[in-house]
Amino acid sequence: DSGVTQTPKHLITATGQRVTLRCSPRSGDLSVYWYQQSLDQGLQFLIQYYNGEERAKGNILERFSAQQFPDLHSELNLSSLELGDSALYFCASSPGGQGETQYFGPGTRLLVL
Amino acid sequence: TQLLEQSPQFLSIQEGENLTVYCNSSSVFSSLQWYRQEPGEGPVLLVTVVTGGEVKKLKRLTFQFGDARKDSSLHITAAQPGDTGLYLCAGEGSGNTPLVFGKGTRLSVIA
Repeated sequence: DSGVTQTPKHLITATGQRVTLRCSPRSGDLSVYWYQQSLDQGLQFLIQYYNGEERAKGNILERFSAQQFPDLHSELNLSSLELGDSALYFCASSPGGQGETQYFGPGTRLLVL
Repeated sequence: TQLLEQSPQFLSIQEGENLTVYCNSSSVFSSLQWYRQEPGEGPVLLVTVVTGGEVKKLKRLTFQFGDARKDSSLHITAAQPGDTGLYLCAGEGSGNTPLVFGKGTRLSVIA
């Protein structure tokens, strides 16, 4: 158990819909990272937040957005969902910024039908 | 854009055999990490290598960082079914750049 929690574990929805994925980092960790994992693309970095502020941005679509709240939990919002958005979405946390060990949550498996 | 290529993509071996998986790039990384991911779980960090030429051992696993810090290898001695999983390498560039992950090597060790 990494100490990072993600909800829900599974999500099935339809194209065009909007979903919210939630992540609670390890106690004391200030950074939260979001990744998307698909069979063909591997693990792709989406976005990083540090203590409530966006720190780094990766291959995140404009239809996707994220935020980190004062209690340091984070949410990833996916809107206008497409079939190709079906993937595993992982959250990871670290005490500070890049260069530190990242601890991954168990992931949310999203299926868009 | 920094890319990491992992090979082989898939590997199926018998228990007790040795194996090596590779992680290669044309880019220089300040450090390289190896993770193992099991079905239904997130990646778990195995090791971080920082210095060119560095070798680290973790029980039956031996990790090496290339002299030029562009490539790395993972060697498993006497593989066991518990070693089954997806092995990912991830490189850290300079500055505040995010980790770049390879697509992984999916290892299956058959008893």
